[in-house]
Amino acid sequence: DAEITQSPRHKITETGRQVTLACHQTWNHNNMFWYRQDLGHGLRLIHYSYGVQDTNKGEVSDGYSVSRSNTEDLPLTLESAASSQTSVYFCASSEGIGGSPLHFGNGTRLTVT
Amino acid sequence: GENVEQHPSTLSVQEGDSAVIKCTYSDSASNYFPWYKQELGKRPQLIIDIRSNVGEKKDQRIAVTLNKTAKHFSLHITETQPEDSAVYFCAASYNNNDMRFGAGTRLTVKP
Repeated sequence: DAEITQSPRHKITETGRQVTLACHQTWNHNNMFWYRQDLGHGLRLIHYSYGVQDTNKGEVSDGYSVSRSNTEDLPLTLESAASSQTSVYFCASSEGIGGSPLHFGNGTRLTVT
Repeated sequence: GENVEQHPSTLSVQEGDSAVIKCTYSDSASNYFPWYKQELGKRPQLIIDIRSNVGEKKDQRIAVTLNKTAKHFSLHITETQPEDSAVYFCAASYNNNDMRFGAGTRLTVKP
């Protein structure tokens, strides 16, 4: 069955370190998204991609970057981790045709100390 | 970009009662409105969605209504059960571009 996989599931890092969260989907979806989830804020969009070599900023993109070198993967990089980036991160993908559901990964819980 | 507001933030009902969650959106171009359910420690899962060419959609005990003129849409759960307890999120987007979510509603169904 097709799926979307995030790794690691849990990560603890120190302030100032670079961190990369992986996202891999086997749906063959064009659209991929990264969200962060914090209490009281729901899911906030960080970056998204409509296809290979395409990336776009979301509403909370500062301090994050993504790259899309193939259809399956959209890694999220925190260039210099800050305590404010402690959160649960969800990757998602969708067909992207005329409105279609997002398929979410299991999430990565990141703690920045 | 799109802005989605969701109310209430918490909702407690007795088993068997109905629950209603409301959302408003700001971008009149939005045409796709999904609802997600998230259980504790799990990923959000789609429960129902509606597109802008439809005013209402029903799936067993769950229904969604859309008012394009007023830019609001609602989730209705009838005959609630304890397993309906979760956090529910609404979302809005134009053709899946840049999908934005509401802040969530924590629904508790008391046995």
